[in-house]
Amino acid sequence: GAGVSQSPSNKVTEKGKDVELRCDPISGHTALYWYRQSLGQGLEFLIYFQGNSAPDKSGLPSDRFSAERTGGSVSTLTIQRTQQEDSAVYLCASSADGGANTGELFFGEGSRLTVL
Amino acid sequence: RKEVEQDPGPFNVPEGATVAFNCTYSNSASQSFFWYRQDCRKEPKLLMSVYSSGNEDGRFTAQLNRASQYISLLIRDSKLSDSATYLCVVFYGGSQGNLIFGKGTKLSVKP
Repeated sequence: GAGVSQSPSNKVTEKGKDVELRCDPISGHTALYWYRQSLGQGLEFLIYFQGNSAPDKSGLPSDRFSAERTGGSVSTLTIQRTQQEDSAVYLCASSADGGANTGELFFGEGSRLTVL
Repeated sequence: RKEVEQDPGPFNVPEGATVAFNCTYSNSASQSFFWYRQDCRKEPKLLMSVYSSGNEDGRFTAQLNRASQYISLLIRDSKLSDSATYLCVVFYGGSQGNLIFGKGTKLSVKP
């Protein structure tokens, strides 16, 4: 498909384990975002990549969270030593440019993380 | 502070009703405004941008009031398929991380 693809769709892990979440953006989209959404809450910004520029990491909640974007395409969000409060849906979005200009971010279906 | 506040609802309305949601934002320097729709357990999708002069798309009308720092979404002739959570989104300028999503207002349209 031509949309944003995320994997895994569901991940259950034990507290203290590391997890990796993958995002494959729409081909040609230079901007990529990671958000997380806890039950009943709004979207919380985590990190933003734009082309070859340094990413905006200002939303990462702790140093256990990191993200990479290889070759300007696929991105991986890594959470080390997971905690129960990390349980949420992690949403990836891409846009053709700075999405805030047009408002049009294309979201994947998300990766639902449950930390036991 | 960068805040976007919405009444969480739920708004329960009958088919055919007109319903309006408001959203307030905290920073007068906000640049752009949008409404997104999120169906249950699905990803958000852009519904419409909000322009200073107000804009309409079929049954949906968006308004911006910069003086009072709020935006609104009006839905006329509600359909069952309009049932969803409506997210107010404000761009505060600068970094893309300043694209702030509200927690959403839940709408349930009943037969």
